Formats: sequence, C-alpha cells, structure tokens
Amino acid sequence: DAKTTQPNSMESNEEEPVHLPCNHSTISGTDYIHWYRQLPSQGPEYVIHGLTSNVNNRMASLAIAEDRKSSTLILHRATLRDAAVYYCILMHYNQGGKLIFGQGTELSVKP
Amino acid sequence: EAGVVQSPRYKIIEKKQPVAFWCNPISGHNTLYWYRQNLGQGPELLIRYENEEAVDDSQLPKDRFSAERLKGVDSTLKIQPAELGDSAVYLCASSTNPGNSYEQYFGPGTRLTVT
Repeated sequence: DAKTTQPNSMESNEEEPVHLPCNHSTISGTDYIHWYRQLPSQGPEYVIHGLTSNVNNRMASLAIAEDRKSSTLILHRATLRDAAVYYCILMHYNQGGKLIFGQGTELSVKP
Repeated sequence: EAGVVQSPRYKIIEKKQPVAFWCNPISGHNTLYWYRQNLGQGPELLIRYENEEAVDDSQLPKDRFSAERLKGVDSTLKIQPAELGDSAVYLCASSTNPGNSYEQYFGPGTRLTVT
C-alpha cells in the first residue's frame, strides 16, 4: 500500500487560508487521493478526493502536483469549527474503498 | 437524509465479558465497514461487507471477533471474550460506489472501555 507523509500539526488563524500538505511519492497511476477530517469525539468526515486534476467543493479545494507525488488541501477561510485531524489517504481504485489512515495533521485554529 | 447510526455510544465492561456493537448504514449503501480506532491513532479497518458478503476480513482477529450483516443492511460486531487491549472506539462506515470514488460516511462510533 502506498503511504502518505503529513506534518503532525499545524496552526492557523481564523478567517485565513490554510494549506495542508501531503507527500505521496510512491503513488500509482490508479490511486485516488482522498482527504478526510475528524473533529473531536466524532467519526471521520469525507472532505474531498481527486485523481489527477485539481478539485473544488463546498468544503475545500484539492491541488494535485503535476507528477502526483504531492497534494495540498486548501481551506479558503479557516473557522474554529475546522479544528480537526486531517488525513490524506491513497485509495487504490479496485480495493473496494479500503482506507488506510496514517497519523494525519492536527490543525488548530486560533481566534 | 439520516446518517450512519451506531449503538450504544458508550460501553464499559469487565474483561472476559462479551460485547456487541450495532450499525445501521445509510439507506441504499451496499458497502459497510467496521473500523477500530485506538487513542491517538487513525482508524484501522477490521472488515468490509459488500451487501451480506464479507469481502475483506483480513484484519479481523477471528479468535475473539465476529461480525455479521444479515440481509445486507444493518450489521453487528461482537467481541467474546473482551480483553483490556480491546478498549478503543469502534466505527462503522458505509458507502456506495459512484464512479469508483467510494466516499465513506462514518457513524459517531462506540467507545468501549474494558476494565
């Protein structure tokens, strides 16, 4: 299984953009890049996913490097409710949606 | 739309006792997952169902853990007998398969404490 590397923690100020990096140098051509987040005392929550092109949805944007060896999750305006652990996960297309969670990045947001 | 429902939310038992967790997935989701999350770690997949068939149970400790998904809807995960090391949060998730994305929806989890 291809692995991802994320910083253990990051800090952000409220209402400022946040860029959460993820390295996945061993990604294969059929691995999707998924991001989930987990708020305290809750189950993980899907944020966004992509394969090759950048993606936008109501929660965030996903910027994928041209060689696909890294990606960045972008929260355009952080709020206090965005404080969570963010997981970057590679999902192989034919493994039935198997998610292998790493340690993730714990994001704290200061008012 | 109702989310993934799990019960109970909290359970405290003594070691060697049995325990069961129940999960009702989102209506229409044919894929169901059970994960275990130890304190400070990311969730770890225990078993995956496609409808009523367990298609990946390679990470399930089969000596004491069992699971079933009768009729391909709700599911039960059981531990018998429980050990101290089983203390964790047990998460259920479900998904459908729009374009191979396998976006998963998680329940709130059951926090198990074994004393």
